[in-house]
Amino acid sequence: KQEVTQIPAALSVPEGENLVLNCSFTDSAIYNLQWFRQDPGKGLTSLLLIQSSQREQTSGRLNASLDKSSGRSTLYIAASQPGDSATYLCAGANQAGTALIFGKGTTLSVSS
Amino acid sequence: SQTIHQWPATLVQPVGSPLSLECTVEGTSNPNLYWYRQAAGRGLQLLFYSVGIGQISSEVPQNLSASRPQDRQFILSSKKLLLSDSGFYLCAWSVSAFNYGYTFGSGTRLTVV
Repeated sequence: KQEVTQIPAALSVPEGENLVLNCSFTDSAIYNLQWFRQDPGKGLTSLLLIQSSQREQTSGRLNASLDKSSGRSTLYIAASQPGDSATYLCAGANQAGTALIFGKGTTLSVSS
Repeated sequence: SQTIHQWPATLVQPVGSPLSLECTVEGTSNPNLYWYRQAAGRGLQLLFYSVGIGQISSEVPQNLSASRPQDRQFILSSKKLLLSDSGFYLCAWSVSAFNYGYTFGSGTRLTVV
């Protein structure tokens, strides 16, 4: 059964720092992997989707990579801003159209 | 464009009362639909998923049930709520034929008192 682990659970950084959030999964048969952002009391906003044939995706200051052989994904945030403060969730699906399995998230706090 | 609607946004219900949460999707046909719950201090747990009308799969035994009466409508129900049913409930959709990822609704905060 797929399990997803996110490290660290919480992270505090000053504004401007580059940072990396880590995600690992027990079953390397990941079909696709998606990173989400969740603000307190809100739903999930999709940040990046790495599809089955891809290894990384970029959007603005965000870059996500997926290494299926090692069972790891990373989310890189460049030049962090206070508005980046949120919980970041990693989730994977083993097959097309199956449900996402989530990690518990990394709560990021960026201070000005 | 596709949108997903969830309501209500917040709900406070007494123990033993019934529950009905509704989720609808617009702008797509035959989506896969999902209900997740996020309890305090815990990750997102998959409760139910559906690949078509009347087709419901349950991931964990619980006090809840789900129904899909129409292609783009997904309902989460309970006959008698428990305190442990409190949490943040999220509906999501995906399209299995195309790998567009998953889109989530804005969630319902349920407090059972």
